[in-house]
Amino acid sequence: GAVVSQHPSRVICKSGTSVKIECRSLDFQATTMFWYRQFPKQSLMLMATSNEGSKATYEQGVEKDKFLINHASLTLSTLTVTSAHPEDSSFYICSAETGANQPQHFGDGTRLSIL
Amino acid sequence: TQLLEQSPQFLSIQEGENLTVYCNSSSVFSSLQWYRQEPGEGPVLLVTVVTGGEVKKLKRLTFQFGDARKDSSLHITAAQPGDTGLYLCAGAVGSARQLTFGSGTQLTVLP
Repeated sequence: GAVVSQHPSRVICKSGTSVKIECRSLDFQATTMFWYRQFPKQSLMLMATSNEGSKATYEQGVEKDKFLINHASLTLSTLTVTSAHPEDSSFYICSAETGANQPQHFGDGTRLSIL
Repeated sequence: TQLLEQSPQFLSIQEGENLTVYCNSSSVFSSLQWYRQEPGEGPVLLVTVVTGGEVKKLKRLTFQFGDARKDSSLHITAAQPGDTGLYLCAGAVGSARQLTFGSGTQLTVLP
């Protein structure tokens, strides 16, 4: 149980393109999902907390207009990287809680490469 | 300043050796998780500890939460090449649901 699916697993696109990444909880409902960014050989950095039916909460230093988050249902959150540039290239990972005070379960990540 | 300091950052050992990874903080955590991550994949939950002094065992892995809930350790006995990966500790402070991750320990077990 507690499977989190992330799609796509890899994206390569040109600078200026907007890219949407989906995060789905397959066998449970998730009112809260989290989006992380991970650079090579580094740990995960929390970008934002995605709340179903309300606005996302962004961490300090993360541009909310650059990284648009939509959590329209209890099983789906999306992260859109708008007008992506090479510096946005990274490994983006989502996670979801099965319930309050429960551990987070992670998707397999999306490798984003901006040329 | 890193909220969670993890050490060592890199560890390369021979198959059969034992090792310990440490996760330290000046903050008190309501819960702490250990994850293992392989290249190109998301972290996989190994264990959650919530009680000060708690010890949990998962086959050859032993996890301990400090009495003051500020630190934790992961001990692997008789390491195997399949244990190779990035080990991450992550903690939640108070009632917050957000996790703060440690800097990670890249473990390589050589056959």
